[in-house]
Amino acid sequence: DADVTQTPRNRITKTGKRIMLECSQTKGHDRMYWYRQDPGLGLRLIYYSFDVKDINKGEISDGYSVSRQAQAKFSLSLESAIPNQTALYFCATSDLTGDYGYTFGSGTRLTVV
Amino acid sequence: GNSVTQMEGPVTLSEEAFLTINCTYTATGYPSLFWYVQYPGEGLQLLLKATKADDKGSNKGFEATYRKETTSFHLEKGSVQVSDSAVYFCALNYPGGFKTIFGAGTRLFVKA
Repeated sequence: DADVTQTPRNRITKTGKRIMLECSQTKGHDRMYWYRQDPGLGLRLIYYSFDVKDINKGEISDGYSVSRQAQAKFSLSLESAIPNQTALYFCATSDLTGDYGYTFGSGTRLTVV
Repeated sequence: GNSVTQMEGPVTLSEEAFLTINCTYTATGYPSLFWYVQYPGEGLQLLLKATKADDKGSNKGFEATYRKETTSFHLEKGSVQVSDSAVYFCALNYPGGFKTIFGAGTRLFVKA
């Protein structure tokens, strides 16, 4: 099994629908992150969490919410999806320092029509 | 603020050519520096890292040296293969910092 698992891998949804992307990890890491990747824009941080009780907004949190259900689980929700949220979404984890690098999931490709 | 700047891509090379992807950073203090690689359809994977000035990170034939005097961490490989075609991201992190900062990525195409 992968260290960081994202589900679903691909999703097509309609404008206005609520959608949840899920992430689970077996690394035992405290820190978890959600990133969005758009062509030519690199990675942009949506939310990050340092432990179950700590949630922080990133650069582009508007239109998104998150839930840290357990140390191993961090889900991202789009409350009312819009077409410009079409992107590749990545979950990542790290230890407390971040100095050993991040472990990324394989991504969820989301299309909002 | 802290930032990472990478050379724009795409970079197109023939197999066995020498690769350099430039990366410079702006930061105070002594961050750790990283290169990540993203193969088509996959997430990012840590390729190599260096935690202090003059350190050289290396992996899979790739190397990068932490140059504090030029605030650079250029990625090099002596002989690229078609399988090296991917997007490469430079990144920096402060130990205990809030998050890692990523560059915009550089796409590499290697032709047979």
